[in-house]
Amino acid sequence: DAGVIQSPRHEVTEMGQEVTLRCKPISGHNSLFWYRQTMMRGLELLIYFNNNVPIDDSGMPEDRFSAKMPNASFSTLKIQPSEPRDSAVYFCASSLGLEETQYFGPGTRLLVL
Amino acid sequence: RKEVEQDPGPFNVPEGATVAFNCTYSNSASQSFFWYRQDCRKEPKLLMSVYSSGNEDGRFTAQLNRASQYISLLIRDSKLSDSATYLCVVTPPGTYKYIFGTGTRLKVLA
Repeated sequence: DAGVIQSPRHEVTEMGQEVTLRCKPISGHNSLFWYRQTMMRGLELLIYFNNNVPIDDSGMPEDRFSAKMPNASFSTLKIQPSEPRDSAVYFCASSLGLEETQYFGPGTRLLVL
Repeated sequence: RKEVEQDPGPFNVPEGATVAFNCTYSNSASQSFFWYRQDCRKEPKLLMSVYSSGNEDGRFTAQLNRASQYISLLIRDSKLSDSATYLCVVTPPGTYKYIFGTGTRLKVLA
């Protein structure tokens, strides 16, 4: 069975550019989570959705970050404009429901130069 | 005080050893607890949930101590393949957020 799918797996961009990260949750899962992992801060929850509706975006660091979930099988995390301090691994996770086990995708490694 | 704290390690242990990690949490009303495992440059994967009564899965035992606000993970007869970073997860009351610890790194040596 396909797990959570993320694309791209690696992204290198220059400061000021727009970056769009994509996530396809596991089919049938109703909840989707975006995380960021860095050496300094560990794994941090940015935002999560339930039934395509954003529930809590308090972890989004700045207005430069935005996330959408237009349908049950697709979500995007956008950074515009990107900055070097945004360099991190961004994980998407999904679960059957908010209280259920979260399954993580392979992550997108982002490097902003 | 951080919401969830772990000793970063690394814990270097020989094959066959028993090793234990603790994880402390600050909010006494936290409601759910988990251990995730993360291999180098990979995604976190659920190792086990932690129940109030404690639970065991093969060589792994997880326990919750609400009075002292910590969870523990015990690995018996450690294998080379157990080398990884172990992340504890706590969910604050009234939310479905996962709060991750920064992880404890384990190296099992041949």
